[in-house]
Amino acid sequence: NAGVTQTPKFQVLKTGQSMTLQCAQDMNHNSMYWYRQDPGMGLRLIYYSASEGTTDKGEVPNGYNVSRLNKREFSLRLESAAPSQTSVYFCASSEGVRAVYNEQFFGPGTRLTVL
Amino acid sequence: AQSVTQLDSQVPVFEEAPVELRCNYSSSVSVYLFWYVQYPNQGLQLLLKYLSGSTLVKGINGFEAEFNKSQTSFHLRKPSVHISDTAEYFCAVNSWGKFQFGAGTQVVVTP
Repeated sequence: NAGVTQTPKFQVLKTGQSMTLQCAQDMNHNSMYWYRQDPGMGLRLIYYSASEGTTDKGEVPNGYNVSRLNKREFSLRLESAAPSQTSVYFCASSEGVRAVYNEQFFGPGTRLTVL
Repeated sequence: AQSVTQLDSQVPVFEEAPVELRCNYSSSVSVYLFWYVQYPNQGLQLLLKYLSGSTLVKGINGFEAEFNKSQTSFHLRKPSVHISDTAEYFCAVNSWGKFQFGAGTQVVVTP
C-alpha cells in the first residue's frame, strides 16, 4: 500500500497563476483532509471531505477550492495564487470523521512557493 | 471550542538524555489525544494515541505519554533520546471528529 500520495512535491508559482494539488489514498478511507503548515502555526485545516460527494470548509478556506473526485482522490485548487499561500500543504485521510477516535494518515506534502 | 497548546516551541537535548514535551488542551467534551512526529521534509507519522483506559500510553520508538484529565494534559516523554529523534512533534486533539493540532515542538538532539 502506498498510503496517501501527493503530487507535485514542489511547485513555484507567480502571483495570479492557478494550480491544482492532487491527493490519493489507497486505504479505502471515507474522510480526506487538506491542511497547510506554516512555521509556528502547526497545521491548519483548509477543507475536508467527510465522505465521497461532500466537502466542508475548515479553518482557513479562503482562496481555495476542493473536489472529491471519488473515494480515493481529493484535490485542492488555487484559482489565483497569492504570496500568502506560500506554505507546505498536506493531505490526510481517516476511516471516517464520524468515528471520533480515528487517527489521520498523512501524505508527504507539497512545498508551494508563490512569488 | 477546543484548543491545543504546546508549551515549548523548541527543546534542545543531549543524546541519551530524557526529554519531555508538554501538551495542554481545552475542551468541554470528551477528547481523544494523539502525538505525531514529523521528520525533516516528510509528512506526519503517528507516535501514539489515547482513546480510553490506562492513562499511560506507549508508542513507537520508545515514546510514552500520560493523559491527565484533571490537568487537561498529555505530555510526551522518552527516557533516552537518539540523534534520530531530531524532529518536530505535534500534539493533536480529536473531539467529535474535529482534529486540532498544536503549533509543534522542535526537538534537536545533539551528541
